[in-house]
Amino acid sequence: KQEVTQIPAALSVPEGENLVLNCSFTDSAIYNLQWFRQDPGKGLTSLLLIQSSQREQTSGRLNASLDKSSGRSTLYIAASQPGDSATYLCAATGANSKLTFGKGITLSVRP
Amino acid sequence: DTGVSQDPRHKITKRGQNVTFRCDPISEHNRLYWYRQTLGQGPEFLTYFQNEAQLEKSRLLSDRFSAERPKGSFSTLEIQRTEQGDSAMYLCASSLGLQEQFFGPGTRLTVL
Repeated sequence: KQEVTQIPAALSVPEGENLVLNCSFTDSAIYNLQWFRQDPGKGLTSLLLIQSSQREQTSGRLNASLDKSSGRSTLYIAASQPGDSATYLCAATGANSKLTFGKGITLSVRP
Repeated sequence: DTGVSQDPRHKITKRGQNVTFRCDPISEHNRLYWYRQTLGQGPEFLTYFQNEAQLEKSRLLSDRFSAERPKGSFSTLEIQRTEQGDSAMYLCASSLGLQEQFFGPGTRLTVL
């Protein structure tokens, strides 16, 4: 059974800092890995998807990497802004297309 | 707006009542998923459809829960005889095959 872990549960950083959010998963037989953003009380916004054959994906200030062999993914946020404050969730997609989520990391960027 | 939509956005009901939620996926997507999220947790998979066929159901989905996707378009999720433990955010997502899943805004259910 796939298990996804995100540590720490919460993170507070000053504006402008570069930061890395970590995600680990137990079963390397994944089809892809997605990173999502969730604002309080809202649905999920897809940020980046990395196929199992890829090593990284970039979108603007965001860069996500994937290392299947070690069961790890990271989300790098450059030059963080207060508007980046949200919960960030990673999810691994199995062959049955089911997403298994971590509990998320709640990020607070202080002005 | 061509994204995933869900209705209603909020539902408050009394214990024992039945509730039904609707999800309209992105029109060209053949897969539709239901997830449930409780406070402080990541979403948990409930069930998914490929076109009109329901292909997998989680053990989380008790006999009180039923989902349909008639004609492979919109989907409904019904909860019968609601319990306080059913209070959660119910999220719907859609995808084209095994590609990126796009989520709707969710339906927040409160059972009193």
